[in-house]
Order: sequence, then structure tokens, then C-alpha cells
Amino acid sequence: DTGVSQNPRHKITKRGQNVTFRCDPISEHNRLYWYRQTLGQGPEFLTYFQNEAQLEKSRLLSDRFSAERPKGSFSTLEIQRTEQGDSAMYLCASRDSGRAGEQYFGPGTRLTVT
Amino acid sequence: AQSVTQPDIHITVSEGASLELRCNYSYGATPYLFWYVQSPGQGLQLLLKYFSGDTLVQGIKGFEAEFKRSQSSFNLRKPSVHWSDAAEYFCAVGPLSGGGADGLTFGKGTHLIIQP
Repeated sequence: DTGVSQNPRHKITKRGQNVTFRCDPISEHNRLYWYRQTLGQGPEFLTYFQNEAQLEKSRLLSDRFSAERPKGSFSTLEIQRTEQGDSAMYLCASRDSGRAGEQYFGPGTRLTVT
Repeated sequence: AQSVTQPDIHITVSEGASLELRCNYSYGATPYLFWYVQSPGQGLQLLLKYFSGDTLVQGIKGFEAEFKRSQSSFNLRKPSVHWSDAAEYFCAVGPLSGGGADGLTFGKGTHLIIQP
């Protein structure tokens, strides 16, 4: 069990640029989640996948955000035309749908928009 | 909509002393409840969870939590803290909605400081 991995760990970008993050879940986990965490706050749910299907999107996920999980394994989260308000830690989690609720988190990608 | 309140933003405890971190939730049904810990540069680690049954649940690292339905609370306790327990602690409730989604709703966290 290598755990959930995320790349890159840190990303600095200029306002208006596009960025893409990758999440590799625990291999046998069929559910994958994205959260956003800003300073001094708890993580906020963005979206989740069951295998390759995106089943739920939060209202926090504006149309500049898109997430994919094309083969039901790794996932990408893309932010287009970044804004300073997008600066946050982006967390990925995964779980086996047979084990209710217990999500395993990756270390996160810290995005700084200048 | 569900919500989680962690009333204490910071708590300072002497090493070896007991600890209690408070968590109150608002939810329309019996929730799934979780406590996670986050150390600097680390991901969130699950300490313990409550789904049903015995209201006192044991977790890793010597932590326990008690579910009290009448108080809508799920407080985290540890009888004797160690310096390595200094971290950010998050209470969470799930699932997110009745539509089958199961994203978690987190509180804002409690920052635990351990005094030598």
C-alpha cells in the first residue's frame, strides 16, 4: 500500500495561466475525491468519481475547474485562467466503496497564484 | 445542509496532561463521524470513525471519541498527550447529501499546541 500520491506538491503560477494537478489513488480504491483547503479552514469538498464516472460536483467547482478520471485510475484537476482566490491546498482522497466513508488522503498540492 | 463546528481554534496542553477537543455537528440523520489529524507537510490521517453501535470508539495513537446524539457532539479525547501530538485536528461528518454523494464536511479545525 503506497498510499495516495499527488503531483506536483507545490505549484506557483501567474494569474490567468492554466494549471493541472494529478492524483494517483490507492490502487484498489474505486472512489476518488477532490477537496480544497484554504488557510485556517478545513477541507471543502469539490467533486468525486466512482471509477471513471464523475458523480457529484460542489457549487465551489466553478466552470474554470474540470476534473477527469479517464480510466478509473489516476485523476487530474485542471484550473483554467487562474485567479488569486484559487490559491489553496488541493487534496485528493480515495476509498474502497465497500468501506463506508473511510477516505485516505494524499499530501496535497499547494497552489500559489501570483 | 450539514455543518460541523469546532469551537476551539487553538488549544494549549502540557505534555502528559489530558486532552479533549470539541466537535458539534448539524445533520438530518445519524451521521458518519470522523476525526482526522494533519501535521505540517502531511496529508490528513484518519484517527477514528463512528458509524453505528458502541458510542465510545477507539482510534489510533491512543485517541478515543464519544458520540452523544442528544448533544450532537463527537468529542475527541486522549488521557495523556505527547509532544508529537501537536498538529491540526479536524472533525468531519458524511455523507454530504442524501443523493448518494459521500464527500465529507469538515470543521475549521483545532490547532493543538503541546507545552513541555
